Amino acid sequence: DADVTQTPRNRITKTGKRIMLECSQTKGHDRMYWYRQDPGLGLRLIYYSFDVKDINKGEISDGYSVSRQAQAKFSLSLESAIPNQTALYFCATSDPLGRLAGETDTQYFGPGTRLTVL
Amino acid sequence: AQSVTQPDIHITVSEGASLELRCNYSYGATPYLFWYVQSPGQGLQLLLKYFSGDTLVQGIKGFEAEFKRSQSSFNLRKPSVHWSDAAEYFCAVEANNQGGKLIFGQGTELSVKP
Repeated sequence: DADVTQTPRNRITKTGKRIMLECSQTKGHDRMYWYRQDPGLGLRLIYYSFDVKDINKGEISDGYSVSRQAQAKFSLSLESAIPNQTALYFCATSDPLGRLAGETDTQYFGPGTRLTVL
Repeated sequence: AQSVTQPDIHITVSEGASLELRCNYSYGATPYLFWYVQSPGQGLQLLLKYFSGDTLVQGIKGFEAEFKRSQSSFNLRKPSVHWSDAAEYFCAVEANNQGGKLIFGQGTELSVKP
């Protein structure tokens, strides 16, 4: 089974609808992230969470909200979807313990959710 | 502000030929740098990372990258490309070396011709 799962994998919705994208992980990592990918722009960070009680805005948080229901679950919501939120959305996790060994934490990505807003 | 630039949007190489994908970053201190690969319909997979030490980093699938501070570069190389290497490649830098925030380049799409 995949370590980082995202549901749904594909979603088509209409302008103004509320949408929730879900991410679950079995890696036991404290840190979780949401990114969106647009052609020619790479990935941009929407929100990140270092633990259940710590949620932070990323580069492009406007129009999005998140919920960290448990260590293993991190949901992204679009309260009122608009067409320019059409994109590929990725969830990622990381374990900061590597930093104790002088390393950096590596992010592990889910398979992505393709969202289309009509 | 930190940034990552991948100058080449699309590269085509012949199978068996060598490959170099360019990545330039802007950051005052020694950066933490990453290369990820995204195969069609898949998530991102880490190829390799640099955070200190030897400036030539070995990764998975036969890839390597060299950190050059003087050129602010972290180019990805492979001596002999396989058809299965066709994918999109992303270079990233960790924002302020504090974890949590990766800043990605625009990506380079690699096509491999027979």
